[in-house]
Amino acid sequence: DTGVSQDPRHKITKRGQNVTFRCDPISEHNRLYWYRQTLGQGPEFLTYFQNEAQLEKSRLLSDRFSAERPKGSFSTLEIQRTEQGDSAMYLCASSRKRVQETQYFGPGTRLLVL
Amino acid sequence: AQSVTQPDIHITVSEGASLELRCNYSYGATPYLFWYVQSPGQGLQLLLKYFSGDTLVQGIKGFEAEFKRSQSSFNLRKPSVHWSDAAEYFCAVGDAGNQFYFGTGTSLTVIP
Repeated sequence: DTGVSQDPRHKITKRGQNVTFRCDPISEHNRLYWYRQTLGQGPEFLTYFQNEAQLEKSRLLSDRFSAERPKGSFSTLEIQRTEQGDSAMYLCASSRKRVQETQYFGPGTRLLVL
Repeated sequence: AQSVTQPDIHITVSEGASLELRCNYSYGATPYLFWYVQSPGQGLQLLLKYFSGDTLVQGIKGFEAEFKRSQSSFNLRKPSVHWSDAAEYFCAVGDAGNQFYFGTGTSLTVIP
């Protein structure tokens, strides 16, 4: 069990640039989730996939944010035209496709927008 | 709407003392409740979870939590805290769609 991995672990970018993060879930997990965590807050749900289908998106996910999971395995989260308010930790989690299933979290990607 | 409240932003305890972290939730149906711990530079690690059955659940690292439906609470406890327990603790409620709602967390400091 290799766990959930995320890449990169840290990203510094200038305002207006595009950034892309990758998440590799636990291999047998159907569901993949993206969260955002700002300082002093708990993780906030952004979106989730069941296999390759994006099933739900939070209102937090503006049109500058897009997520994909093309083959139902890894996922990418892209932020276009970054803003300073996008600075946060972006967490990925995965779980099996069942209610009550535990979500297993990756270490996160910390984004700093200058 | 589902929500989780962790009333204590920060708690300091002495090593060896007992610990209780509070969590209150708001959810219309039977909640799925979780406690996660987050250490600096680490991902969220599951401590324990409650779905149904016995309202006192045991987790890893000597933690336990008790579900009290009448109080809408799921407080985390540990009888004797170790210095390595210093971390951020998050309570979460999961809905039927497996979407998680997290509290704002409680930061635990352990003093010698």
